[in-house]
Amino acid sequence: DADVTQTPRNRITKTGKRIMLECSQTKGHDRMYWYRQDPGLGLRLIYYSFDVKDINKGEISDGYSVSRQAQAKFSLSLESAIPNQTALYFCATSDSPGHTYEQYFGPGTRLTVT
Amino acid sequence: GEDVEQSLFLSVREGDSSVINCTYTDSSSTYLYWYKQEPGAGLQLLTYIFSNMDMKQDQRLTVLLNKKDKHLSLRIADTQTGDSAIYFCAEKSSSNTGKLIFGQGTTLQVKP
Repeated sequence: DADVTQTPRNRITKTGKRIMLECSQTKGHDRMYWYRQDPGLGLRLIYYSFDVKDINKGEISDGYSVSRQAQAKFSLSLESAIPNQTALYFCATSDSPGHTYEQYFGPGTRLTVT
Repeated sequence: GEDVEQSLFLSVREGDSSVINCTYTDSSSTYLYWYKQEPGAGLQLLTYIFSNMDMKQDQRLTVLLNKKDKHLSLRIADTQTGDSAIYFCAEKSSSNTGKLIFGQGTTLQVKP
């Protein structure tokens, strides 16, 4: 079974709709991250969380919100989707400091906003 | 600021060596990484190098780090069609957040 899972894998929605992307992990990691990937821009960090009570904005948080429901679950919401939020979204996890800080990625959610 | 730059595209013939280059700005980065993204999949860690190392070899992969020039490279020996993917360079942020800063990704095309 995959260690980091994302649902849905694909979603098409209309402008103005609220949408939630979900991420679950079985790695037991404290840290979780949401990125978006756009062609030619690489991965940009939206939000990150070091534990259930610690949520931090990344470089492109405007238009997004997150919820860390449990150590294993981290969801990303678009309150009112707009077409330029069409992208590939990745969730990632990492262990606490003391290790190599490598991040483990989910398979991604392809979101299209029409 | 923290920034990582890569060229966007590289094309090689099967059996040749591929060299993917990356430059970064944060001289205090402690870890640098190479991730691979195959079509329709998430990112998979290929290898990493600690900043006190100059080179790391793992089977067909060789990572070279030039700290003076803030330059990182990934060499893939005997490149195969299965190596076709997007390769991302990343550095660990020097802030105490554990964040990774990613480059734009280099698309490697391997021609038969």
